[in-house]
Amino acid sequence: QVHLVQSGAVVKSPGASVKISCKASGFSLSSYAMHWVRQAPGQGLESIGWITAGNGNTRASQKFQGRVTFTGDISATTVYMELTRLTSEDTAFYYCARINTGMGDDHWGQGTLVTVSS
Amino acid sequence: DIVMTQIPLSLPVTPGESASISCRSSRSLFDPVDGNIHLDWYLQKPGQSPQLLIHTLSYRASGVPDRFSGSGSGTDFTLKISRVEAEDVGVYYCMQRLDFPSITFGQGTRLEIK
Repeated sequence: QVHLVQSGAVVKSPGASVKISCKASGFSLSSYAMHWVRQAPGQGLESIGWITAGNGNTRASQKFQGRVTFTGDISATTVYMELTRLTSEDTAFYYCARINTGMGDDHWGQGTLVTVSS
Repeated sequence: DIVMTQIPLSLPVTPGESASISCRSSRSLFDPVDGNIHLDWYLQKPGQSPQLLIHTLSYRASGVPDRFSGSGSGTDFTLKISRVEAEDVGVYYCMQRLDFPSITFGQGTRLEIK
Protein backbone atom coordinates (compact mmCIF):
# COMPACT_ATOMS: atom_id res chain seq x y z
CA GLN A 1 0.00 0.00 0.00
CA VAL A 2 1.29 3.43 -0.94
CA HIS A 3 2.04 5.87 1.87
CA LEU A 4 3.66 9.29 1.91
CA VAL A 5 4.70 10.56 5.33
CA GLN A 6 6.00 14.10 5.68
CA SER A 7 8.12 15.72 8.35
CA GLY A 8 6.47 17.77 11.07
CA ALA A 9 5.42 21.38 11.37
CA VAL A 10 8.11 24.01 11.68
CA VAL A 11 8.40 27.68 12.52
CA LYS A 12 11.04 29.72 10.73
CA SER A 13 12.25 33.28 10.85
CA PRO A 14 12.11 35.53 7.79
CA GLY A 15 15.17 34.98 5.62
CA ALA A 16 15.73 31.44 6.84
CA SER A 17 15.46 28.20 4.88
CA VAL A 18 13.27 25.15 5.42
CA LYS A 19 13.78 21.58 4.30
CA ILE A 20 10.81 19.21 4.29
CA SER A 21 11.03 15.46 3.86
CA CYS A 22 8.55 13.05 2.33
CA LYS A 23 9.12 9.37 3.00
CA ALA A 24 7.53 7.00 0.53
CA SER A 25 6.54 3.39 1.02
CA GLY A 26 4.74 0.83 -1.11
CA PHE A 27 6.36 1.81 -4.39
CA SER A 28 9.73 2.64 -5.91
CA LEU A 29 10.68 6.32 -6.06
CA SER A 30 12.77 5.48 -9.11
CA SER A 31 9.65 4.93 -11.17
CA TYR A 32 7.61 8.06 -10.40
CA ALA A 33 7.71 11.82 -10.47
CA MET A 34 7.06 13.32 -7.06
CA HIS A 35 5.36 16.68 -6.82
CA TRP A 36 5.38 19.42 -4.25
CA VAL A 37 2.26 21.55 -3.84
CA ARG A 38 1.51 24.26 -1.34
CA GLN A 39 -1.58 25.94 0.05
CA ALA A 40 -1.29 29.27 1.80
CA PRO A 41 -3.99 30.29 4.30
CA GLY A 42 -7.23 30.98 2.48
CA GLN A 43 -5.59 30.32 -0.89
CA GLY A 44 -5.75 27.57 -3.48
CA LEU A 45 -3.37 24.79 -4.43
CA GLU A 46 -0.14 25.92 -6.05
CA SER A 47 2.37 23.70 -7.80
CA ILE A 48 5.93 24.28 -6.58
CA GLY A 49 7.57 21.70 -8.83
CA TRP A 50 8.62 18.11 -9.12
CA ILE A 51 11.47 15.61 -9.01
CA THR A 52 12.03 12.28 -10.69
CA ALA A 53 14.40 10.76 -8.17
CA GLY A 54 15.36 7.93 -10.51
CA ASN A 55 17.27 10.21 -12.87
CA GLY A 56 17.54 13.33 -10.73
CA ASN A 57 15.48 15.50 -13.04
CA THR A 58 13.77 18.41 -11.34
CA ARG A 59 11.74 21.43 -12.35
CA ALA A 60 10.45 24.30 -10.30
CA SER A 61 7.52 26.49 -11.21
CA GLN A 62 8.66 29.89 -12.41
CA LYS A 63 7.57 31.61 -9.21
CA PHE A 64 9.95 29.47 -7.13
CA GLN A 65 12.92 29.18 -9.46
CA GLY A 66 16.16 30.12 -7.76
CA ARG A 67 14.67 29.61 -4.33
CA VAL A 68 13.69 25.93 -4.22
CA THR A 69 15.69 22.73 -4.48
CA PHE A 70 14.33 19.22 -4.83
CA THR A 71 16.42 16.20 -3.90
CA GLY A 72 15.84 12.50 -3.50
CA ASP A 73 17.47 9.60 -1.68
CA ILE A 74 16.40 6.38 -3.34
CA SER A 75 17.93 4.19 -0.65
CA ALA A 76 16.07 6.11 2.06
CA THR A 77 12.92 6.19 -0.11
CA THR A 78 12.65 9.88 0.68
CA VAL A 79 12.36 13.08 -1.31
CA TYR A 80 13.09 16.53 0.02
CA MET A 81 12.16 20.09 -0.76
CA GLU A 82 14.24 23.02 0.45
CA LEU A 83 12.92 26.56 0.18
CA THR A 84 15.23 29.47 0.93
CA ARG A 85 14.87 33.17 1.72
CA LEU A 86 11.56 32.64 3.46
CA THR A 87 9.05 35.46 3.88
CA SER A 88 5.68 35.60 5.62
CA GLU A 89 4.10 34.81 2.25
CA ASP A 90 5.66 31.34 2.42
CA THR A 91 3.51 30.46 5.43
CA ALA A 92 1.51 27.51 4.12
CA PHE A 93 0.82 23.81 4.17
CA TYR A 94 3.28 22.00 1.91
CA TYR A 95 2.29 18.67 0.37
CA CYS A 96 4.24 16.01 -1.45
CA ALA A 97 2.22 13.96 -3.88
CA ARG A 98 2.44 11.18 -6.40
CA ILE A 99 0.04 12.60 -8.96
CA ASN A 100 -1.95 10.17 -11.06
CA THR A 101 -0.95 9.83 -14.70
CA GLY A 102 -4.24 8.54 -16.01
CA MET A 103 -4.80 5.37 -14.01
CA GLY A 104 -6.35 7.08 -11.00
CA ASP A 105 -3.50 6.10 -8.68
CA ASP A 106 -3.06 9.35 -6.78
CA HIS A 107 -1.41 9.74 -3.37
CA TRP A 108 -0.70 12.69 -1.12
CA GLY A 109 1.24 13.22 2.06
CA GLN A 110 -0.48 14.58 5.14
CA GLY A 111 0.98 18.04 4.66
CA THR A 112 3.59 20.03 6.57
CA LEU A 113 2.75 23.41 8.04
CA VAL A 114 5.52 25.94 7.64
CA THR A 115 5.02 29.14 9.57
CA VAL A 116 7.29 32.07 8.85
CA SER A 117 7.25 34.56 11.67
CA SER A 118 9.60 36.87 13.48
CA ASP B 1 2.33 27.61 -18.81
CA ILE B 2 -1.26 26.49 -19.15
CA VAL B 3 -3.64 28.66 -17.12
CA MET B 4 -6.73 27.09 -15.56
CA THR B 5 -9.76 29.26 -14.76
CA GLN B 6 -12.66 28.06 -12.62
CA ILE B 7 -16.11 29.50 -12.10
CA PRO B 8 -17.77 30.08 -9.77
CA LEU B 9 -15.34 30.59 -6.90
CA SER B 10 -18.10 30.08 -4.35
CA LEU B 11 -21.08 27.75 -4.69
CA PRO B 12 -23.83 27.55 -2.07
CA VAL B 13 -26.03 24.50 -2.62
CA THR B 14 -29.13 23.10 -0.96
CA PRO B 15 -28.78 19.42 0.02
CA GLY B 16 -30.33 17.18 -2.59
CA GLU B 17 -29.88 19.66 -5.41
CA SER B 18 -27.32 19.43 -8.20
CA ALA B 19 -24.22 21.59 -8.59
CA SER B 20 -21.91 22.31 -11.49
CA ILE B 21 -18.41 23.75 -11.59
CA SER B 22 -16.80 24.98 -14.79
CA CYS B 23 -13.12 25.00 -15.66
CA ARG B 24 -11.41 26.42 -18.72
CA SER B 25 -7.84 25.89 -19.90
CA SER B 26 -5.77 28.40 -21.87
CA ARG B 27 -5.05 25.73 -24.46
CA SER B 28 -6.46 22.38 -25.42
CA LEU B 29 -5.76 19.53 -23.05
CA PHE B 30 -6.36 16.93 -25.74
CA ASP B 31 -3.31 14.75 -26.35
CA PRO B 32 -3.38 13.37 -29.92
CA VAL B 33 -0.77 10.76 -29.00
CA ASP B 34 -2.98 8.88 -26.55
CA GLY B 35 -6.36 10.38 -27.46
CA ASN B 36 -7.05 11.50 -23.90
CA ILE B 37 -7.92 14.81 -22.28
CA HIS B 38 -5.57 15.30 -19.34
CA LEU B 39 -7.89 17.06 -16.93
CA ASP B 40 -8.53 15.93 -13.37
CA TRP B 41 -10.78 17.10 -10.54
CA TYR B 42 -9.84 17.15 -6.86
CA LEU B 43 -11.74 17.82 -3.67
CA GLN B 44 -10.03 19.17 -0.60
CA LYS B 45 -12.19 18.70 2.46
CA PRO B 46 -11.54 20.91 5.49
CA GLY B 47 -8.35 19.89 7.27
CA GLN B 48 -7.49 17.18 4.75
CA SER B 49 -5.12 16.61 1.86
CA PRO B 50 -6.63 16.88 -1.62
CA GLN B 51 -8.29 13.73 -2.94
CA LEU B 52 -8.73 12.74 -6.56
CA LEU B 53 -12.34 12.61 -7.74
CA ILE B 54 -12.17 12.44 -11.52
CA HIS B 55 -9.20 11.74 -13.78
CA THR B 56 -8.70 11.99 -17.51
CA LEU B 57 -11.82 14.13 -17.96
CA SER B 58 -14.48 11.65 -16.94
CA TYR B 59 -13.15 8.62 -15.06
CA ARG B 60 -14.13 8.41 -11.42
CA ALA B 61 -11.37 7.53 -9.01
CA SER B 62 -11.76 4.46 -6.85
CA GLY B 63 -14.47 4.83 -4.23
CA VAL B 64 -15.94 8.03 -5.65
CA PRO B 65 -19.76 7.94 -5.73
CA ASP B 66 -21.47 8.03 -9.11
CA ARG B 67 -23.07 11.33 -8.07
CA PHE B 68 -19.84 12.88 -9.37
CA SER B 69 -19.30 13.14 -13.10
CA GLY B 70 -16.89 14.94 -15.38
CA SER B 71 -17.35 16.09 -18.95
CA GLY B 72 -16.04 18.54 -21.48
CA SER B 73 -13.98 19.08 -24.59
CA GLY B 74 -10.50 20.41 -25.37
CA THR B 75 -10.61 23.59 -23.29
CA ASP B 76 -13.94 23.63 -21.42
CA PHE B 77 -14.75 21.22 -18.65
CA THR B 78 -17.52 20.62 -16.13
CA LEU B 79 -17.76 18.77 -12.86
CA LYS B 80 -21.32 17.90 -11.93
CA ILE B 81 -22.44 16.77 -8.52
CA SER B 82 -25.90 15.27 -8.38
CA ARG B 83 -27.87 15.20 -5.14
CA VAL B 84 -25.37 17.20 -3.08
CA GLU B 85 -24.76 15.91 0.42
CA ALA B 86 -23.27 17.56 3.50
CA GLU B 87 -20.09 15.48 3.10
CA ASP B 88 -19.44 17.14 -0.30
CA VAL B 89 -18.43 20.40 1.40
CA GLY B 90 -14.95 21.59 0.54
CA VAL B 91 -12.92 23.19 -2.21
CA TYR B 92 -12.96 21.67 -5.69
CA TYR B 93 -10.01 22.09 -8.05
CA CYS B 94 -9.49 21.27 -11.65
CA MET B 95 -5.93 20.36 -12.61
CA GLN B 96 -4.26 19.91 -15.97
CA ARG B 97 -1.38 17.51 -16.59
CA LEU B 98 -1.03 17.67 -20.37
CA ASP B 99 2.71 18.25 -20.10
CA PHE B 100 3.17 15.97 -17.11
CA PRO B 101 5.11 16.18 -14.83
CA SER B 102 4.24 19.87 -15.14
CA ILE B 103 0.79 20.50 -13.63
CA THR B 104 -1.36 23.54 -12.89
CA PHE B 105 -4.48 23.97 -10.77
CA GLY B 106 -7.52 26.16 -11.11
CA GLN B 107 -8.21 28.70 -8.38
CA GLY B 108 -10.64 26.41 -6.60
CA THR B 109 -14.41 26.51 -6.02
CA ARG B 110 -15.68 26.48 -2.47
CA LEU B 111 -18.87 24.46 -2.13
CA GLU B 112 -20.96 25.17 0.94
CA ILE B 113 -24.30 23.89 2.12
CA LYS B 114 -27.13 26.41 2.37
